Order: sequence, then C-alpha cells, then structure tokens
Amino acid sequence: SQQGEEDPQALSIQEGENATMNCSYKTSINNLQWYRQNSGRGLVHLILIRSNEREKHSGRLRVTLDTSKKSSSLLITASRAADTASYFCAPGRAGSYQLTFGKGTKLSVIP
Amino acid sequence: EAQVTQNPRYLITVTGKKLTVTCSQNMNHEYMSWYRQDPGLGLRQIYYSMNVEVTDKGDVPEGYKVSRKEKRNFPLILESPSPNQTSLYFCASSLSTVNTEAFFGQGTRLTVV
Repeated sequence: SQQGEEDPQALSIQEGENATMNCSYKTSINNLQWYRQNSGRGLVHLILIRSNEREKHSGRLRVTLDTSKKSSSLLITASRAADTASYFCAPGRAGSYQLTFGKGTKLSVIP
Repeated sequence: EAQVTQNPRYLITVTGKKLTVTCSQNMNHEYMSWYRQDPGLGLRQIYYSMNVEVTDKGDVPEGYKVSRKEKRNFPLILESPSPNQTSLYFCASSLSTVNTEAFFGQGTRLTVV
C-alpha cells in the first residue's frame, strides 16, 4: 500500500516555538493529507495539498509538497500546549482506494 | 452534526467469542474503512469499502470480516477473536476515495483475554 513515513518519530518543543515534521513517500501521488490525533482519539483532518500545489496555509499550519523529492512537511508556527498530539500524513495515489497512514510524529509542546 | 459513530467504545471479551463492532456515518459517504492502531505500528488498514456491497482487503485483513449492506453502516466482525486482536480500532468515512477528507469515529478499545 502507499503509505507515508513521518519523521521525526517524536519531537519536543517549548510553547511558542515552531514545530516541523516531515513525510516521505515512494510513489506518485494525486494529493497528500495531514491529520492530527489527540491521545487515544480518532484522527482529525488538518489539510490536503494537491500534487500541483507547492505550499498551502491554514491558520498556523503551513504545508509544503515537493513531488520531485517525494516529500512533504508540516510546519506549526507559534505552537501551543494544545498542539500536543500525534501527526500523520496520508499520500493519496491516483486511482487508489486505500487511505493509509504511517506511524506518525508525536509532538509534545511544553508550556 | 456530521459524524462517524462506533460502538462499543470499550469491550473486553474472551478468546473465540464472536463479536461485532458497529460503525455508522450520517454524511452519505461512499468510502468507509477500518483501521487498527497498535503501539509502535501506527494505523494499519484492515478493510475498506468503496460503496454498498463493494469491499476489499486492506493491509491486515486476517481474522476480520466486514459487510456493507447499506451505505451508512460498515460493521467489523471478529468471528473468533484472539489475544493478538487486542487493539484500538477506528472506523473512517469519506466522500470518495483518497482525494477527500476522511472523518474518523471515536475509536473502540478491544481487549481479548
């Protein structure tokens, strides 16, 4: 299946700092999605970036996509304690019916 | 309110006793899927369904069954649960395949003893 690999596995920062996490994938994609999971809860959709887009913003979130390197990054600016969660990417391959996820990046924001 | 509802939220059962975890969505979504989440392994897809009566195996389908008789419901069936199926399970739905936002249920924490 087409799944992304998030990096780093864990990230710990102080409140107010920026957090950057990365996603790499192996095959061509139509789009790539990012999700957040608070401990033990269902995933929540954050943002979708299409293969013809290079950058997308949503509030304090900035996502970039480099299809030549098969990678994406999620930047959370001015982080807050409430951003503490695991973050997952989901590459969407054209014609695929599978939405699959990697192991995620566990972000801890220390107040 | 748009939502995906799973039941039960918590379940402790014994090895071999058949069980069903229900999943229902109220958004008229075509695509539904089941995942299990285990420490260190991330989310792994069990089964997915593209529409009524259309289902396919995900990455870890062994020991599970699904059915999609109605658009809104996608139950997960464990015919003979074993301890290695102890996990956190999530149901998800989306308007179509991988190109749209997926909505997740609250999760079902299953323990098989």
